[in-house]
Amino acid sequence: AQKVTQAQTEISVVEKEDVTLDCVYETRDTTYYLFWYKQPPSGELVFLIRRNSFDEQNEISGRYSWNFQKSTSSFNFTITASQVVDSAVYFCATRGVNAGNMLTFGGGTRLMVKP
Amino acid sequence: DGGITQSPKYLFRKEGQNVTLSCEQNLNHDAMYWYRQDPGQGLRLIYYSQIVNDFQKGDIAEGYSVSREKKESFPLTVTSAQKNPTAFYLCASSPNPGTVNTEAFFGQGTRLTVV
Repeated sequence: AQKVTQAQTEISVVEKEDVTLDCVYETRDTTYYLFWYKQPPSGELVFLIRRNSFDEQNEISGRYSWNFQKSTSSFNFTITASQVVDSAVYFCATRGVNAGNMLTFGGGTRLMVKP
Repeated sequence: DGGITQSPKYLFRKEGQNVTLSCEQNLNHDAMYWYRQDPGQGLRLIYYSQIVNDFQKGDIAEGYSVSREKKESFPLTVTSAQKNPTAFYLCASSPNPGTVNTEAFFGQGTRLTVV
């Protein structure tokens, strides 16, 4: 069975601060995928990134960066110089490659960026 | 434009009524999913389907039913047996595991309220 834990339920920062959202996962699959999604107030989940278990390179996309560490089963997400528009709920998720594996989500972290 | 369309956006149900939530995708994805989200909570899997005419129960299938007669469509019926159906329902689709781009894409959601 897969499990994703996002220990931070709510984070509040002031604009321009850096913020890291933690994600710890559990899986028995040797090959799996990790994802981050953003849920703005409108409700739709927006895909941010996919990472394969065999690729531990960190990734940067603009103000967003992701740190994947297999040794600690973590896939953390950092927003640099946060902006008010970053306010949303962020979900981490995992999925195995075997048939029957579905996407398993963490409980989400609500990020509030204050001006 | 490729994507997932959920309808209606808002739905009101009287106690004892069955209601059906629509989900259509034109992404040619094999897998489709239904999730339920309660206020301040994460996403819980109701049903998923990896191929036409086949579907499996998720973690909270009781009181719900689905069908997958066409690849593009995965309607969810909330039956009168579901005692607490007021929630936000999200439909998603993805390629099946084993493909490179395995991320799921979500519809805009249906907010169901029992009146």
